[in-house]
Amino acid sequence: EVQLVESGGGLVQPGGSLRLSCAASGFTFSSYWMHWVRQAPGKGLVWVSRINSDGRSTDYADSVTGRFTISRDNAKNTLYLQINSLRAEDTAVYYCARVVGATNFDYWGQGTLVTVSS
Amino acid sequence: QSALTQPASVSGSPGQSITITCSGTSSDVGGYDFVSWFQQHPDRAPKLVIYDVTKRPSGVSNRFSGSKSGNTASLTISGLQAEDEADYYCCSFAGNSVIFGGGTKLTVL
Repeated sequence: EVQLVESGGGLVQPGGSLRLSCAASGFTFSSYWMHWVRQAPGKGLVWVSRINSDGRSTDYADSVTGRFTISRDNAKNTLYLQINSLRAEDTAVYYCARVVGATNFDYWGQGTLVTVSS
Repeated sequence: QSALTQPASVSGSPGQSITITCSGTSSDVGGYDFVSWFQQHPDRAPKLVIYDVTKRPSGVSNRFSGSKSGNTASLTISGLQAEDEADYYCCSFAGNSVIFGGGTKLTVL
C-alpha cells in the first residue's frame, strides 16, 4: 500500500525556519517525481515545488523561490522541504504528493500544518 | 503563475449533471494535454478524479468525465450523489511549474 506521511510542521515565529519531511512507503520511491502543495486555512490548493526522481532537477513557485528548498534522500525514502524566512502568508497545511507524468498526483499525504505567528 | 479560473460554486440536485470549468491560457491549459481534477472533502487530502484531461484513475466512478477546448478544461459529474458534495480543483502543467485553480464548491441540493 502506498503511504506518504508528512511531519515537521508546527508553530514558528516570522523569519524562522522549519524542515518538513515526507516518509514514503509501498512503492519504489526513487522512480517517482515528488511535489509539495500547500493549502492556507479555508483557501485553495497552491503548488509549491517539485523534484525529479534522482533529485538533480527542482522547480519552485515564484512565491517561494529563494526561501524554500526541496530535496530527497532516496536511500531513506524521504522527501524534504526546507522553509526559511517564514512569513505569515506561509501558514498552511503542506502536502507531499507522488506524481506520475506531468500532473497525475495519484497519492497524497495527510498534510502537516505550519503556522507562522509571533 | 496566476491561478486558473474556476467558478466559486456550483450546485445541482441528485441525479442531475453539473459541469465545472477551468480557464487558463495557452501557456498552461491550452498548451498541454496535462490537466487534472481533484475532489477534496473537508479536512481530507485531495483525491485525483481525472488526469491527462480525460483519463479516470482506477476506482473512480465513471460518472466523472473530463474534456478540454482551447484554454478551458471542464469536469462533468453526471448522476449527482450526495457524496459528490465537496470542493473541486483543476490543475495544469505549465512548463517549469504546475498551476492549480482557485477551487469550486459543489453543493448537492
